[in-house]
Amino acid sequence: KNEVEQSPQNLTAQEGEFITINCSYSVGISALHWLQQHPGGGIVSLFMLSSGKKKHGRLIATINIQEKHSSLHITASHPRDSAVYICAEGSNYQLIWGAGTKLIIKP
Amino acid sequence: DAGVTQSPTHLIKTRGQHVTLRCSPISGHKSVSWYQQVLGQGPQFIFQYYEKEERGRGNFPDRFSARQFPNYSSELNVNALLLGDSALYLCASSLELRVNLGTLHFGNGTRLTVT
Repeated sequence: KNEVEQSPQNLTAQEGEFITINCSYSVGISALHWLQQHPGGGIVSLFMLSSGKKKHGRLIATINIQEKHSSLHITASHPRDSAVYICAEGSNYQLIWGAGTKLIIKP
Repeated sequence: DAGVTQSPTHLIKTRGQHVTLRCSPISGHKSVSWYQQVLGQGPQFIFQYYEKEERGRGNFPDRFSARQFPNYSSELNVNALLLGDSALYLCASSLELRVNLGTLHFGNGTRLTVT
């Protein structure tokens, strides 16, 4: 059974702090996705990665295939980063999603 | 270019009724996937359609059905609604068939409430 686990479930931090969200998956994959969901429900794809590291602005995603682990980092966090961050493993036709990490950044 | 559009945005139905949700993918995208997100949980895969054919189906009862039209837009139909069907229904489109090959683009979802 494919399982995707995220930690922490909830995270509250002060503006400017460095944020790390972790994701572990149970089976070998070819791609792992990081997505962002705002309170209204819309989902935005942040990264799709299969090895190494990707960076976009203040967001950095890393993956360790051998350890079946990925992390999403946010540098210089800002209140507008407040959202639910979800990792999902790509398995042919579908994404298998983690439960998400609810991030709140306080000014 | 317009993103993925879903309609309606909100819907209230009564148990036993039928509902149709609609999705228009980004222009040029041939793949449409449907996901159900119950409050407080991650999305669950329902269907994927590519080139008007069903390519994947999640663990949902036969009350759930979908189709894709020649213009690649899609409908999700749910019959005999149950209270447990209350959820946010998300549509995603992509260029590629396989989700590990391309980025998914999501609509804002249809929030269905069954009373």
